[in-house]
Amino acid sequence: EIVMTQSPATLSVSPGARATLSCRASQSINSNLAWYQQKPGQAPRLIIYGASTRATGIPARFSGSGSGTEFTLNISSLQSEDFAVYYCHQYNNWPPRDTFGQGTKLEIK
Amino acid sequence: ELQLVESGGGLVQPGRSLRLSCTASGFTFADYPMNWFRQAPGKGLEWVSFIRHKAYGGTTEYAASVKGRFTISRDDSKSVAYLQMTSLKIEDTGMYYCAKAVRGRRTVVDLWGQGILVTVSS
Repeated sequence: EIVMTQSPATLSVSPGARATLSCRASQSINSNLAWYQQKPGQAPRLIIYGASTRATGIPARFSGSGSGTEFTLNISSLQSEDFAVYYCHQYNNWPPRDTFGQGTKLEIK
Repeated sequence: ELQLVESGGGLVQPGRSLRLSCTASGFTFADYPMNWFRQAPGKGLEWVSFIRHKAYGGTTEYAASVKGRFTISRDDSKSVAYLQMTSLKIEDTGMYYCAKAVRGRRTVVDLWGQGILVTVSS
């Protein structure tokens, strides 16, 4: 099983500042990585897939990068609606053996 | 409006069965693969199952944790996906989400239902 490790577990950032979230895979997953945002009591929302492609309707302040085993989600100029839990998701294998990271909680500083 | 609505959850005893439904609207359901994910209380996300659309054979895939106990299916005439869950275990407790795949991306999903709670307890 590919283990996805996200860091930090909690990130405290001020509105208007930049946030950098990390995700590491236990083995290479090429660029088969997605990022989801989840707010309390809500379903997740797709932010990024293919490591760097923004999903439909996602603002340009969200950007993803990385390949292989190291990935980053950057959120520039944080807005109040961006504070949430973010999960990375690897989908490298077929048949699917998808796994998620444990999440990073982005909170207001 | 694109929408997925789950139903059929609830409290069930270990070893019993439950069938979840996911009703889609606002898009051509038959054109997309569908997935089920789950989230244990206070925990992270887990992919559960996948079904291709009929044009690609409607084949199915399962996570190891549910293989042999869960069955995914779809009725394109009704725009509904199902998850039949048998031999339920306490560790199957959680919020279950159905989700529509991004075109060409199988288990990457861009539309989620609101979720339905399944509680397995004696």
